[in-house]
Amino acid sequence: SQTIHQWPATLVQPVGSPLSLECTVEGTSNPNLYWYRQAAGRGLQLLFYSVGIGQISSEVPQNLSASRPQDRQFILSSKKLLLSDSGFYLCAWSADRGSYEQYFGPGTRLTVT
Amino acid sequence: GNSVTQMEGPVTLSEEAFLTINCTYTATGYPSLFWYVQYPGEGLQLLLKATKADDKGSNKGFEATYRKETTSFHLEKGSVQVSDSAVYFCALSDRGSNYKLTFGKGTLLTVNP
Repeated sequence: SQTIHQWPATLVQPVGSPLSLECTVEGTSNPNLYWYRQAAGRGLQLLFYSVGIGQISSEVPQNLSASRPQDRQFILSSKKLLLSDSGFYLCAWSADRGSYEQYFGPGTRLTVT
Repeated sequence: GNSVTQMEGPVTLSEEAFLTINCTYTATGYPSLFWYVQYPGEGLQLLLKATKADDKGSNKGFEATYRKETTSFHLEKGSVQVSDSAVYFCALSDRGSNYKLTFGKGTLLTVNP
């Protein structure tokens, strides 16, 4: 069966510091991968998605970047965090066929101080 | 473009009450429809799905029927439990959306004993 991991689970970082969040998927190959941010108030914002190694699509201009160095690894980064980067970050994967339902990881709670 | 509209709530019910959360959608193609559930502090879990008109998705006592004529996918449960307290998201995908899901804003459900 497929599983998706995210780490760290929680992170407190000062403004201006760098960020690296990691997501890995097991039990599937060539998944589509996604990064979302969920701010207070529940809504989900799609940040990036990837349909293959090195292929990244950005949904919104912002202080963040994403990379996919391996087939089942997706990394979210920032060179300098802003207060507005605080939130709950969710990684998800979907198969590249069928109905494209997405399966989510447990999330990373980021607080920028 | 695609859009999903769901009742934002919050919805507060007593245990064993009947639940309905309304969801309507707009899509250019023939979408697949989903309900996700998010428990406090966790990622989203796929609750149920339907991929074509008149399909009924069901899981854990929850049901939703894909109604193409009314562009709706309402979530129902006959008897809610305290453990059903969570945020519920309606979502859709279609081939024209480049593998992305379109989410509603979420509905907070609180079930009191």
